[in-house]
Amino acid sequence: AQSVAQPEDQVNVAEGNPLTVKCTYSVSGNPYLFWYVQYPNRGLQFLLKYITGDNLVKGSYGFEAEFNKSQTSFHLKKPSALVSDSALYFCAVRDANTGGFKTIFGAGTRLFVKA
Amino acid sequence: NAGVMQNPRHLVRRRGQEARLRCSPMKGHSHVYWYRQLPEEGLKFMVYLQKENIIDESGMPKERFSAEFPKEGPSILRIQQVVRGDSAAYFCASSPGQGENSPLHFGNGTRLTVT
Repeated sequence: AQSVAQPEDQVNVAEGNPLTVKCTYSVSGNPYLFWYVQYPNRGLQFLLKYITGDNLVKGSYGFEAEFNKSQTSFHLKKPSALVSDSALYFCAVRDANTGGFKTIFGAGTRLFVKA
Repeated sequence: NAGVMQNPRHLVRRRGQEARLRCSPMKGHSHVYWYRQLPEEGLKFMVYLQKENIIDESGMPKERFSAEFPKEGPSILRIQQVVRGDSAAYFCASSPGQGENSPLHFGNGTRLTVT
């Protein structure tokens, strides 16, 4: 069975500084990995995904994520944070080898960006 | 192009009543997923459906909860004899069903309050 861990409940950064939101995963086969963002009283919005190929994937709003197979990690990064990036971020995994579409989410990390 | 539509946005039920949550997937999407989000918790997978079929209901409580996605009309998540612990935000997501790496598209959720 697949699982996702987001070890930080909250991340605080100053505007203009780089940010990292951590994610580790566990699947029996090859992973499909996703990051989503949730703003208050809204559903989740897709940011980026890793399927195969280049370990560094780029997504919406300047976000990127690095897939590290040996560490089973998929950390979300942004070189320069904006106040408007403050939101709840979810990492998610799907097991490509099981042939299913079931997506498992982490508990979420709340990002606060201070002006 | 309308996104995933969920209604109602807010639903209040007394203990023992039934709650019916509706979800219309994006046009052209044949896969529907239901997730539950409790305060300060992540998204918990409940059930995954295709038209007229339940594919995976491993996350759904065995009693009082049921889901359907009929040939015509929206997907319905039904909770019978609601209890206070059912209070949560319920999110529906959809995907095209073609390509296991396609991201999920989420609705804005139904917030159920049981009094």
